Amino acid sequence: QVQLVQSGTEVKKPGASVKVSCKASGYRFTSYGIHWVRKAPGQGLEWMGRINPDNGHTKYIQKFQGRLSMTTDTPSRTAYMELTNLTSDDTAVFYCVRDPSFDYWGQGTLVSVSS
Amino acid sequence: QSVVTQPPSTSGTPGQRVNISCSGSTSNIGNNFVYWFRHFPGAAPTLLMSRNDLRPSGVPDRFSGSKSGTSAFLVISGLRPEDEADYYCAVWDDRLSGPNWVFGGGTKLTV
Repeated sequence: QVQLVQSGTEVKKPGASVKVSCKASGYRFTSYGIHWVRKAPGQGLEWMGRINPDNGHTKYIQKFQGRLSMTTDTPSRTAYMELTNLTSDDTAVFYCVRDPSFDYWGQGTLVSVSS
Repeated sequence: QSVVTQPPSTSGTPGQRVNISCSGSTSNIGNNFVYWFRHFPGAAPTLLMSRNDLRPSGVPDRFSGSKSGTSAFLVISGLRPEDEADYYCAVWDDRLSGPNWVFGGGTKLTV
């Protein structure tokens, strides 16, 4: 069965970076893109961007340009989302989600940013 | 402020039918498929409706989706207490300033 398993909770200080992993199983990894979606406290779901594991092509929303990087490692079937220069506004749960229909979601990774 | 608008909240009693709207424009809902998700706090969201009106396997037929012009709708019939959750629509937006996926702001359903 399809599964996306994410790395655990991260606690970071402002200005630091975080790298969240998402390990896929149960399907051909390079056949489906991976989205990253975040849910901040009291806010709605927010699409951050997408990566195509087959060719590495990425698309990020403008607000994260320069701070966000999505990568994949095909042999380990793992997608990564790295966010740099964190602020308290980045405190959120981050989800990886399979393309094209957002049909499978990772369990979420809480990233807490506090001084 | 999302370019796709949902009512912040709605409510119903068990057995009732509720309708959650998702309003957008020709750059998103008017020309692209709408997806619906249910989110229980503390859990991952789950896909409830795909491509406007397709129910993934395992989703009860109490849930239905539709689209008309630049608005989409999720209808829940035979409301149950366990339907109490946050509901989100999502759609691709073809805006010239940079096409993106966009989520509605979410609708909190109270049963």
